[in-house]
Amino acid sequence: GDSVTQMEGPVTLSEEAFLTINCTYTATGYPSLFWYVQYPGEGLQLLLKATKADDKGSNKGFEATYRKETTSFHLEKGSVQVSDSAVYFCALSSPNTGNQFYFGTGTSLTVIP
Amino acid sequence: DAGVIQSPRHEVTEMGQEVTLRCKPISGHNSLFWYRQTMMRGLELLIYFNNNVPIDDSGMPEDRFSAKMPNASFSTLKIQPSEPRDSAVYFCASTLTGYGYTFGSGTRLTVV
Repeated sequence: GDSVTQMEGPVTLSEEAFLTINCTYTATGYPSLFWYVQYPGEGLQLLLKATKADDKGSNKGFEATYRKETTSFHLEKGSVQVSDSAVYFCALSSPNTGNQFYFGTGTSLTVIP
Repeated sequence: DAGVIQSPRHEVTEMGQEVTLRCKPISGHNSLFWYRQTMMRGLELLIYFNNNVPIDDSGMPEDRFSAKMPNASFSTLKIQPSEPRDSAVYFCASTLTGYGYTFGSGTRLTVV
């Protein structure tokens, strides 16, 4: 079945460091891919998305490119800030499964000054 | 739009009591999802509805859990009787076909 695998955390970085959180997926058909962010005490918020191969989603300095050949959707940011500390979830939605989303287990990021 | 609205934000109850969590999805969204989040198990899908009809409830842990969606603007998740292991944050999310989920702020349930 459809699934998402993302890198284990927690991840701790210094401010202005480069961030990569790996995400790979398994799906039949052509899924849409998403990154969600959860700040402490809040629900998940959509960070960015890509709906077809080679699309790049971007928001708030974060980017991820839909790579069909490697079935990946890695999240990157060139210079993280303390305010980026949160849990990041990779997710997919496939036409074969209606509106249901499949989430990864989440990666906790802490950015220290 | 006010987003997905969940109530209450926090609930503390005694073991054995009935608990009802409420969700108002975004107007116009045709699917609604209930998730449970814990440190141990992460984010778990409990049940989801399309056009008010339950589609998949295989994630509901046991018969103590039930969910309803009487109309397009309201859903409830009920636990009866509640147990300490039900303590978690419960999220509701809604979506329109082809778009991403919008999550509510969650209900933090503590069963003592």
